[in-house]
Amino acid sequence: DGGITQSPKYLFRKEGQNVTLSCEQNLNHDAMYWYRQDPGQGLRLIYYSQIVNDFQKGDIAEGYSVSREKKESFPLTVTSAQKNPTAFYLCASSMGGTSGVDTQYFGPGTRLTVL
Amino acid sequence: AQSVTQPDIHITVSEGASLELRCNYSYGATPYLFWYVQSPGQGLQLLLKYFSGDTLVQGIKGFEAEFKRSQSSFNLRKPSVHWSDAAEYFCAVGAKGNKLVFGAGTILRVKS
Repeated sequence: DGGITQSPKYLFRKEGQNVTLSCEQNLNHDAMYWYRQDPGQGLRLIYYSQIVNDFQKGDIAEGYSVSREKKESFPLTVTSAQKNPTAFYLCASSMGGTSGVDTQYFGPGTRLTVL
Repeated sequence: AQSVTQPDIHITVSEGASLELRCNYSYGATPYLFWYVQSPGQGLQLLLKYFSGDTLVQGIKGFEAEFKRSQSSFNLRKPSVHWSDAAEYFCAVGAKGNKLVFGAGTILRVKS
């Protein structure tokens, strides 16, 4: 089955720790995205990558880092610099390869809770 | 800058009744518009999208949406709601650089 997987589904972090959220896709998509979701605020873009070994900051990148070493993988690290990391994190991918807009498909999400 | 407004935070409808969820966007060029649905604790599922052409778009699960340029709207409709439609619905506009800008969402409750 083609799709996007995110792991773990639930993640608990102590204050001051870095944690890494996994996102893998087997759709052969070029573009991948990370969003943060908070109640009543919709989705906000953290980072996105249009191609391997390249990525750009989104609207709320502070306190987060990413890498894109493989086409199918786009892990997100939530660092200790992120002041309020408790949220639901969603990964998405799209075919990409254009300067226009194409359809994004979403993974099941990871809920991060800071203890 | 692009923006999306979903005026209704919550909507409650009776099972079998019709549904309309409102979405207004702000975008300088021809918009690319999307509706997604999210069940609690799950990811987002694409319901339908508008890129060009016919302004009435059909989607999955019996949903449709109509693009009205003069009103900057892309409202989602369903003629008869089922209890399984209870979820949160997000409208989004595609922005330059292949990014999406989302509305804050509308939570749909279905009463039997």
